[in-house]
Amino acid sequence: DARVTQTPRDKVTEMGQEVTMRCQPILGHNTVFWYRQTMMQGLELLAYFRNRAPLDDSGMPKDRFSAEMPDATLATLKIQPSEPRDSAVYFCASGETRNEQFFGPGTRLTVL
Amino acid sequence: AQKITQTQPGMFVQEKEAVTLDCTYDTSDPSYGLFWYKQPSSGEMIFLIYQGSYDQQNATEGRYSLNFQKARKSANLVISASQLGDSAMYFCAMTGGNQFYFGTGTSLTVIP
Repeated sequence: DARVTQTPRDKVTEMGQEVTMRCQPILGHNTVFWYRQTMMQGLELLAYFRNRAPLDDSGMPKDRFSAEMPDATLATLKIQPSEPRDSAVYFCASGETRNEQFFGPGTRLTVL
Repeated sequence: AQKITQTQPGMFVQEKEAVTLDCTYDTSDPSYGLFWYKQPSSGEMIFLIYQGSYDQQNATEGRYSLNFQKARKSANLVISASQLGDSAMYFCAMTGGNQFYFGTGTSLTVIP
């Protein structure tokens, strides 16, 4: 049963530290999405890749966030430096097309 | 501008009964997609059903069906024969261009 995997599942860090979240999309899926979920803002799209190329990252704070796909089996989301307002659950999702999105279990980030 | 509106913050349904979760959307694109996701208390996001804007028939997946009324811009989710395991948050979402919009969710509680 193919699934999207994300690591770490939980991360607690201090303000100012760098945070890297990793996602392994389902094999063969060429679209990858990063979302952030908070109680206040709900689910927000941060970035969207197709065939490893970023198609849209307008939802991402550019000064501190970066998203990459070094290869087809790995997507990363990095925050540097992290701030308390970045505390959220970060989801990665993948699909064969943009019309399907299978979500990973999420990374719960807490920035103290 | 709000793209997806879910007006029911919380809903209750008796086990084995059917329930409709409301979703309206706003877009000027002729081509778009509509999704429903389930998020149980464990936090994972589970894809339920997809409807394309050009699809003539309403999408169905097992006990889930999407009541697509294009002129009204509504995409309500119907769950037939509710089960206790259906208790969860339900999110309506839409694709448009390279953007993806999620609603604020409806919390469904199935009563035994």
